[in-house]
Amino acid sequence: SQQGEEDPQALSIQEGENATMNCSYKTSINNLQWYRQNSGRGLVHLILIRSNEREKHSGRLRVTLDTSKKSSSLLITASRAADTASYFCATQETSGSRLTFGEGTQLTVNP
Amino acid sequence: DAGITQSPRHKVTETGTPVTLRCHQTENHRYMYWYRQDPGHGLRLIHYSYGVKDTDKGEVSDGYSVSRSKTEDFLLTLESATSSQTSVYFCAISSLAGAYEQYFGPGTRLTVT
Repeated sequence: SQQGEEDPQALSIQEGENATMNCSYKTSINNLQWYRQNSGRGLVHLILIRSNEREKHSGRLRVTLDTSKKSSSLLITASRAADTASYFCATQETSGSRLTFGEGTQLTVNP
Repeated sequence: DAGITQSPRHKVTETGTPVTLRCHQTENHRYMYWYRQDPGHGLRLIHYSYGVKDTDKGEVSDGYSVSRSKTEDFLLTLESATSSQTSVYFCAISSLAGAYEQYFGPGTRLTVT
């Protein structure tokens, strides 16, 4: 069963706009991570947020975590065509050492 | 993809044949993982390893076995391939038990006819 569920499944925006993707999960976690996957490639780690953190920034990325609602959001500001990819959230549960991935959000940034 | 290679990158095989996929890393990371990626299911963990000769099952381990005789190599074997095992297979590594980021290989596209 999937731990993380991303919303929306697909998102299409214009270059320069902001993109927001959401992730919900079911159990207690140690941390939550976001990954990007370009078409035909492996996943690339973007950012990790620990369960005791509420917000984290990395360049044009902003991640929030609300453990009371078991949800996270990834914001990409001033999007570029090169941001076109699938984005996955992954959780590390407190009861284990493995990551559980959601099904991903397909982001398309139109030039 | 730096430091992680997968071979072969593409393979077509027939139902009932054994298939072995190889993951090789040059990072000396302790943990290695095999995932499969299918439309509508995201990434699902097949098996993982937490050291040489130490492996454990993931959520979709039926029909798969693994071996790790050296730190740098993690093999995934489909004992008798079925059409339901047609998928893209990814290997990943991490330096701690998933507490920090995982690094992914480029993937192997396997088609079972």
